[in-house]
Amino acid sequence: EDQVTQSPEALRLQEGESSSLNCSYTVSGLRGLFWYRQDPGKGPEFLFTLYSAGEEKEKERLKATLTKKESFLHITAPKPEDSATYLCAVQYAYDKIIFGKGTRLHILP
Amino acid sequence: SAVISQKPSRDICQRGTSLTIQCQVDSQVTMMFWYRQQPGQSLTLIATANQGSEATYESGFVIDKFPISRPNLTFSTLTVSNMSPEDSSIYLCSVGGEQGQFFQETQYFGPGTRLLVL
Repeated sequence: EDQVTQSPEALRLQEGESSSLNCSYTVSGLRGLFWYRQDPGKGPEFLFTLYSAGEEKEKERLKATLTKKESFLHITAPKPEDSATYLCAVQYAYDKIIFGKGTRLHILP
Repeated sequence: SAVISQKPSRDICQRGTSLTIQCQVDSQVTMMFWYRQQPGQSLTLIATANQGSEATYESGFVIDKFPISRPNLTFSTLTVSNMSPEDSSIYLCSVGGEQGQFFQETQYFGPGTRLLVL
């Protein structure tokens, strides 16, 4: 069964405490993996697209990596404003897309 | 980037009624997408709407329940018909990247419409 699983469901960190969020997937014919940030009451905001295993992308305190089975979103020295729900999505078979349920991240000051 | 607005932002409706949600984009786009985000669940694609053609619905979603219009390259509507409490959800509109390739570009999302059906 094609699916995308994000872990953990929720994560509480102290400000400055680095960690990683995981997105594992089981699909055939990966076309791209997407990371989004979603704040309460808002639509998802695009962060990264990764296309092939070994690819990495960075933006400020965030770094996304991709393997053949999973992706990690590394957060380095997070700040309270990084608190949000982080969504992972996988496109496959050209016109199919599956979203994970997200990881709710809370950074304590 | 694309700026997307949705109307209404939220609504409370009675079962058996219908609600039409509008999505407006500040630039011309080829493909527009409608999603549903139920509490505690992941975003689920309802349908893809291209201008000048019938919308393409994902498994589990049918045109009679979720009719979609796409009259031009900047506007689309989604109607939730004959609503029941199970339709309570956030409905999101999104557009693909500038080249319009299916999902292989940046996707931009609207702020969502929060629907509660009593």
